[in-house]
Amino acid sequence: QSALTQSPSASGSPGQSVTISCTGTSSDVGGYNYVSWYQQHPGKAPKLMIFEVSKRPSGVPDRFSGSKSGNTASLTVSGLQAEDEAVYFCSSYAGSNILLFGGGTKLTVL
Amino acid sequence: QLQLQESGPGLVKPSETLSLTCTVSGDSISSLSYLWGWIRQPPGKGMEWIGSMSYSGNTYYSPSLQSRVTISMDTSSNQFSLKLNSVTAADTAIYYCARRKYYGDYLDSWGQGTLVIVSS
Repeated sequence: QSALTQSPSASGSPGQSVTISCTGTSSDVGGYNYVSWYQQHPGKAPKLMIFEVSKRPSGVPDRFSGSKSGNTASLTVSGLQAEDEAVYFCSSYAGSNILLFGGGTKLTVL
Repeated sequence: QLQLQESGPGLVKPSETLSLTCTVSGDSISSLSYLWGWIRQPPGKGMEWIGSMSYSGNTYYSPSLQSRVTISMDTSSNQFSLKLNSVTAADTAIYYCARRKYYGDYLDSWGQGTLVIVSS
C-alpha cells in the first residue's frame, strides 16, 4: 500500500473557506467510509477533527466538514480563523486492519 | 480524561532494538472497543502507521515493518509497548502511541510523541 496523496500546502484569508484533498485508491479511500482527518499544531499531538468521512467528534467546531467522492476525500474549513493554521493529515482504512496516512497539508491563514 | 504518554530511550544504535512504552490513564486498555497502537513521523515527512493490538491479543502490523515489529500489552500496568529490531537511520522519527476505534478505524487520542534518533 502507498501513502495517500495530499497537496503540501493550502492557504486562505480569515473568514474564507479552504478545502484540502486526500487521494487514494479503490482499495482504501474509495473502498471504505473510514476516512479520518487530524489537525496538528507544531510540537503538539495530533487531534482528531473528522472521522468516518464526515462525522465530527464532540468539541470540534462545525466549521470543519468532511466529504468523499470516489477515491478522493476532502476536508473543508469554513470561516477560517488564525488558530486553524496547522498541518492537516488524512487517514484511511485499507483493509486487513491496515491504516494509511497522507503526507499532510500545511494550512496557512494569510 | 484519557491520556497516553510515551517513554523510552531517545537514542538507539544502528542494528539494535528500539523499545518504547505507552502508559495509559483515564481508560483501561482492556476495553473491547479499541485497539492500541503506534504511529511514527520521520523528520519532515508524513505519518506512518506501525501497528495495533487488541485486548484479546490480536496484532496487526504494517506490511513494510512486519518482520521487525512486536507490539505487546501489560494490562496490570495499563501499558503497551513497541519493539522494533535491527534499526537503521531510516527509523529515526517521532513515535506516537494512540487509541484506535475498532469499527471506524480512527485514532481518537494520541500521546505527545517521543523523538527516537538512530545513530552510533
